[in-house]
Amino acid sequence: GAVVSQHPSWVICKSGTSVKIECRSLDFQATTMFWYRQFPKQSLMLMATSNEGSKATYEQGVEKDKFLINHASLTLSTLTVTSAHPEDSSFYICSAPAWDYSNNEQFFGPGTRLTVL
Amino acid sequence: DAKTTQPPSMDCAEGRAANLPCNHSTISGNEYVYWYRQIHSQGPQYIIHGLKNNETNEMASLIITEDRKSSTLILPHATLRDTAVYYCIVRVGGNQGGKLIFGQGTELSVKP
Repeated sequence: GAVVSQHPSWVICKSGTSVKIECRSLDFQATTMFWYRQFPKQSLMLMATSNEGSKATYEQGVEKDKFLINHASLTLSTLTVTSAHPEDSSFYICSAPAWDYSNNEQFFGPGTRLTVL
Repeated sequence: DAKTTQPPSMDCAEGRAANLPCNHSTISGNEYVYWYRQIHSQGPQYIIHGLKNNETNEMASLIITEDRKSSTLILPHATLRDTAVYYCIVRVGGNQGGKLIFGQGTELSVKP
């Protein structure tokens, strides 16, 4: 199946700093990517839809100025957590639809664990 | 997209079939049933999806009732590596559907 990678796999940062997470589709092009956040013992919560060449679409309650999304190419979307605080500590996961792969519509990255001290 | 209801947890003995139910009574005619699973601290993995016919692949079988209001995911011979949270999601299929909205899922524990 198609492969989606994320970098870094984990990151620890100080409160007030910004952190960038990359999501790449390795063997297919993705005009759309999705960003999720998952807190311990909870389900995945969709944060935003990343669109190549245009602005991201954010889910209700997600601060667009806090979570900056850039989809600069057909294989790369980035999520920047600005002025991170301890409550932003979470598991961030991206996914990308691969329409050319029959029966396998969306592929997920391995996730990035963010810890804000 | 229609809402789904799943039991929060289930146990299964290793080597036995695991049958995971899902209720989706408000499903629309153009909505598919998708199953994903998430092993601890990993990204979700696609398992199977279907519209109204039963489906089978190398991982699992999907049984959808005739009225499409519920479905069952079957892992025919569960192994310890099948321990994960299983999510049933209903949405429009193909490139028309877009985003996946995850519910709480069923935490399946496969025991020796």
